[in-house]
Amino acid sequence: DQQVKQNSPSLSVQEGRISILNCDYTNSMFDYFLWYKKYPAEGPTFLISISSIKDKNEDGRFTVFLNKSAKHLSLHIVPSQPGDSAVYFCAAEGGGSNYKLTFGKGTLLTVNP
Amino acid sequence: DADVTQTPRNRITKTGKRIMLECSQTKGHDRMYWYRQDPGLGLRLIYYSFDVKDINKGEISDGYSVSRQAQAKFSLSLESAIPNQTALYFCATSDPLGVGYTFGSGTRLTVV
Repeated sequence: DQQVKQNSPSLSVQEGRISILNCDYTNSMFDYFLWYKKYPAEGPTFLISISSIKDKNEDGRFTVFLNKSAKHLSLHIVPSQPGDSAVYFCAAEGGGSNYKLTFGKGTLLTVNP
Repeated sequence: DADVTQTPRNRITKTGKRIMLECSQTKGHDRMYWYRQDPGLGLRLIYYSFDVKDINKGEISDGYSVSRQAQAKFSLSLESAIPNQTALYFCATSDPLGVGYTFGSGTRLTVV
């Protein structure tokens, strides 16, 4: 049973436009959500996170929105840059997971110049 | 030096061989993890350890074993490698709340 779902395997956007990556979860006990970014031949790196007590967290060009009632979160990148091209993983913790992260399958973002 | 170092970076091995992937970290964290990444399947947890005396199976532990030699070292072994264990393997460490995972650069393993 996949508890964290990223239903779009890939996304392609033009440089300067907005990128929106989506993530859904099924476990209502999850209370902390993170996004990781991964370039080829490198390990994932932490990008941004949000606690369930918030509905928005912003860090520069990156904003994460959380809709608890819909069990949905999204990552917005504005403006998108070619260097943002990478695989983005959504992750969640809580719900008796003992602070272990559960990852989605990832979305490959390609930002075209 | 990287916070999490994995060796080797790449390895090709034959079916049936035993192989060990090594991981060391300089973050000083007690928690360490081994993940496997396959195309379209994301990151799946193989084993995790919350301290030197604690070892736990993850969601896909069959065919793997681990050893926590010290706080900083956590190795993953494939006792008898098989082709469907061909994948990218990542080691990670985290603080006690599980926030801020730091990953290594990965080991690309090919079993032929």
